[in-house]
Amino acid sequence: DEQVLDSGGDLVQPGGSLRLSCAASGFSFRSYAMTWVRQAPGRGLEWVSSVGVTGNTYYADSVKGRFTISRDNSKSALYLQMNSLRGEDMAVYYCAKGGVGEAGLDRWGQGTLVAVSS
Amino acid sequence: QSVLTQPPSVSAAPGQKVSISCSGSSSNIGRRSVSWYQQFPGTAPKLLIYDSNKRPLGIPDRFSGSKSGTSATLAITGLQTGDEGDYYCAAWDDSLRAGLFGGGTKVAVL
Repeated sequence: DEQVLDSGGDLVQPGGSLRLSCAASGFSFRSYAMTWVRQAPGRGLEWVSSVGVTGNTYYADSVKGRFTISRDNSKSALYLQMNSLRGEDMAVYYCAKGGVGEAGLDRWGQGTLVAVSS
Repeated sequence: QSVLTQPPSVSAAPGQKVSISCSGSSSNIGRRSVSWYQQFPGTAPKLLIYDSNKRPLGIPDRFSGSKSGTSATLAITGLQTGDEGDYYCAAWDDSLRAGLFGGGTKVAVL
């Protein structure tokens, strides 16, 4: 079965850093784009970042320059390094297989909570 | 305010049909495929429609997607109480070079 399992969420102070991880299994990880999506409490889904199969990266304006997406195909792992965290970054972060393009995001992690507060 | 615009809510009686619109522009829906997601409270979203009108394995044919110009529509026929939840459209935007989600639509079964 195809699975993605996200982790790493925590309580962090404003200005702090955190790294989220996503472990993929059951599919050829290197053959797919991967995406991070977040959802603030009581709000809708927000696309955060995607990384393509060749390593090209894309970011929402709200996180550009602060967040870095990366992938390790040898470990079937996806990461999101988050720096200079702000209150508005507080959300459940989901790792998802694919991109919002033709094939859609067809596997989602269970979500990991990032809380930003002093 | 989302670049992809959805109605906040739609509702209908059991067995009836609802349609959810997703309005975009020439840089996203106008030239790119649309995907649709279903989400229940406290759970991860689930892919319902990809490539504007295709259903993944296991998604009932009560769910269908279409696209015309810069708008897309998700239709749910034979509405069931288990369909109550939030529905989101998504597309890539070539100008922004970013992914986009609509603001979401809450489906209520009367």
